[in-house]
Amino acid sequence: ETGVTQSPTHLIKTRGQQVTLRCSSQSGHNTVSWYQQALGQGPQFIFQYYREEENGRGNFPPRFSGLQFPNYSSELNVNALELDDSALYLCASSTQSRPGNTIYFGEGSWLTVV
Amino acid sequence: AQSVSQHNHHVILSEAASLELGCNYSYGGTVNLFWYVQYPGQHLQLLLKYFSGDPLVKGIKGFEAEFIKSKFSFNLRKPSVQWSDTAEYFCAVNVGVGPGGGADGLTFGKGTHLIIQP
Repeated sequence: ETGVTQSPTHLIKTRGQQVTLRCSSQSGHNTVSWYQQALGQGPQFIFQYYREEENGRGNFPPRFSGLQFPNYSSELNVNALELDDSALYLCASSTQSRPGNTIYFGEGSWLTVV
Repeated sequence: AQSVSQHNHHVILSEAASLELGCNYSYGGTVNLFWYVQYPGQHLQLLLKYFSGDPLVKGIKGFEAEFIKSKFSFNLRKPSVQWSDTAEYFCAVNVGVGPGGGADGLTFGKGTHLIIQP
């Protein structure tokens, strides 16, 4: 158990729709990041939030957006879904304040776009 | 931007065999290096990490890795594998400061699917 929980675990959406994925960080962690893992690939960094502000972003278009709330939980929103958005979406939490701390991953949300 | 290359996409070994999984990264500056494991149906789990100091790092479950700066490598090793080591293994790097991955997050390799035959 990592203390990072994600919901929903599986969902199916239609191309063009919008989706919201949710993440509850491990207690005391003020940093949350999101990754996309396509089948047979390693996770790819989408963005990171630190104390409710985005402070880093990977090579993903603006239709991928997020939020971090005062309790450090987080959402990933994807608009105008495309077939290639089908993937496992991973949330990870950590504490930036102490070097050497581990990044903890949730079990992910499987998104299928049809 | 940094990148990570894992040499073998699929590895099949017998129990008690020795394991070495290759990982090379491309980045000219200071890096933090990680190996993660993903067992079937489970979350990504940290095996070990290198931030600084002794380039030979020991992790959980008998795994170790050696950082060779001149070769830009961080290979994972285990002297004797078990059936329960069957999993997907990912090498990752970040160039940020601190455990959150900095502003660039973690860059992962494509993974190595390890199968241990009893």
